[in-house]
Amino acid sequence: QKEVEQNSGPLSVPEGAIASLNCTYSDRGSQSFFWYRQYSGKSPELIMFIYSNGDKEDGRFTAQLNKASQYVSLLIRDSQPSDSATYLCAVKTSGNTPLVFGKGTRLSVIA
Amino acid sequence: NAGVTQTPKFRILKIGQSMTLQCAQDMNHNYMYWYRQDPGMGLKLIYYSVGAGITDKGEVPNGYNVSRSTTEDFPLRLELAAPSQTSVYFCASSYSTGSPGELFFGEGSRLTVL
Repeated sequence: QKEVEQNSGPLSVPEGAIASLNCTYSDRGSQSFFWYRQYSGKSPELIMFIYSNGDKEDGRFTAQLNKASQYVSLLIRDSQPSDSATYLCAVKTSGNTPLVFGKGTRLSVIA
Repeated sequence: NAGVTQTPKFRILKIGQSMTLQCAQDMNHNYMYWYRQDPGMGLKLIYYSVGAGITDKGEVPNGYNVSRSTTEDFPLRLELAAPSQTSVYFCASSYSTGSPGELFFGEGSRLTVL
């Protein structure tokens, strides 16, 4: 069973701080890694994807991947109350296998 | 461009009833998926399809059936509804499962079985 683990939270950070969201995965053959944001009552939306070791930055968001440690993280700089949502980590293994999602981490940014 | 359209958005069923959740996409995506999401949980894959006429089971297929007669449509059938099927159902599509394999989601269908 391929597993993706996330702390369910809630993770509370003050406005303007850095929020750090973490995800581990069990399948060492995993190739691509995704972070989705889901507001309450809404569908998930893609924030970032990463498939090479290291960091990938997009605006206030940075995804970090360490395949040796089977660990992927998402940093949100200058956190805003509008960032308050559940963040889902998703992992794709090889071939045509669909994404496997973690349970998500609920982030609360306090103004 | 509508993207992924799901109907109905809300439905209440009695135990033992059957229904079909409709899903249509207009992006000419080959791959389509049905996920369910229980409160405080992530997305669990029910069924998926890699193209018309081809479907495969996901993690939680029991109690559901699917068909894929066209590229655009991927309906999910619930037979003999049970309270355990109370959930939010998301249909999604993707161009491929290769990198990056981004999923495009519908707005969800909230189903309650009483």
